[in-house]
Amino acid sequence: DAMVIQNPRYQVTQFGKPVTLSCSQTLNHNVMYWYQQKSSQAPKLLFHYYDKDFNNEADTPDNFQSRRPNTSFCFLDIRSPGLGDAAMYLCATSSGTNEKLFFGSGTQLSVL
Amino acid sequence: AQSVTQPDIHITVSEGASLELRCNYSYGATPYLFWYVQSPGQGLQLLLKYFSGDTLVQGIKGFEAEFKRSQSSFNLRKPSVHWSDAAEYFCAVIGRGSTLGRLYFGRGTQLTVWP
Repeated sequence: DAMVIQNPRYQVTQFGKPVTLSCSQTLNHNVMYWYQQKSSQAPKLLFHYYDKDFNNEADTPDNFQSRRPNTSFCFLDIRSPGLGDAAMYLCATSSGTNEKLFFGSGTQLSVL
Repeated sequence: AQSVTQPDIHITVSEGASLELRCNYSYGATPYLFWYVQSPGQGLQLLLKYFSGDTLVQGIKGFEAEFKRSQSSFNLRKPSVHWSDAAEYFCAVIGRGSTLGRLYFGRGTQLTVWP
C-alpha cells in the first residue's frame, strides 16, 4: 500500500503558467519535504514542514511556494514555471527523527 | 562545505558478479550516512544507514556498506548482483543534530546489470 502518494505522476505545464503538485501521506508523519531532482542530478531539498512550521532552504527560488493545510497533505506551487524548472519533484515524510525518510514516486514536471 | 562524492557515474556488471559502489564525503564531523536506491521513474528507497557502532552495516536486498573514518568513505557492496538491482544508487549524509531531512546527496551511480 502506497504510504506517500504524489499526484499527478506526470505534469505538463506551459512556460509561466502556475502549477501545483500534490503529496499526501497515510503515515501520520509530522515532517514533510519537497525535493527537486533534475535529470542526472542528485535530489535537492527545497523546503520542509515540521508540523505547521515552514522551513525554506536559503537557495530555494521565490518562485516556489508550499502549503500544508493538514497533517496528511502538502502542496508545491510553482508560480511562474520556467524551462529550468523541468524536473522530478519528490515528496518525502519522516516521523521527526533522523531514522528514515519515506519517499513518494515523484511527479515529473515538463515545461513547454 | 559539506559534499558527497560518488566518483562512478555509471557501472556495468554481469549478473552474479560482486559489486562495490564508492562514496566519499566531506563534512566537519562524522555525519549520519545513508544509501538510497531509485528505480526508473520511482522515488528513493532506503537501503541502509550508519549512525554509530559497528562500521559494517547490513541493509535490505543483500546490500552492506562499510564506514571508514580514516578515508571518509562509505562504500556499498553486494557479493552477487541480481538483474533486479539495476537502478540508480545515491549516497547521502546528514549532520548530527542537523535539521531533519536536510540530506546532502551524491550525484548518483547508475548500475546496469548484464544477464
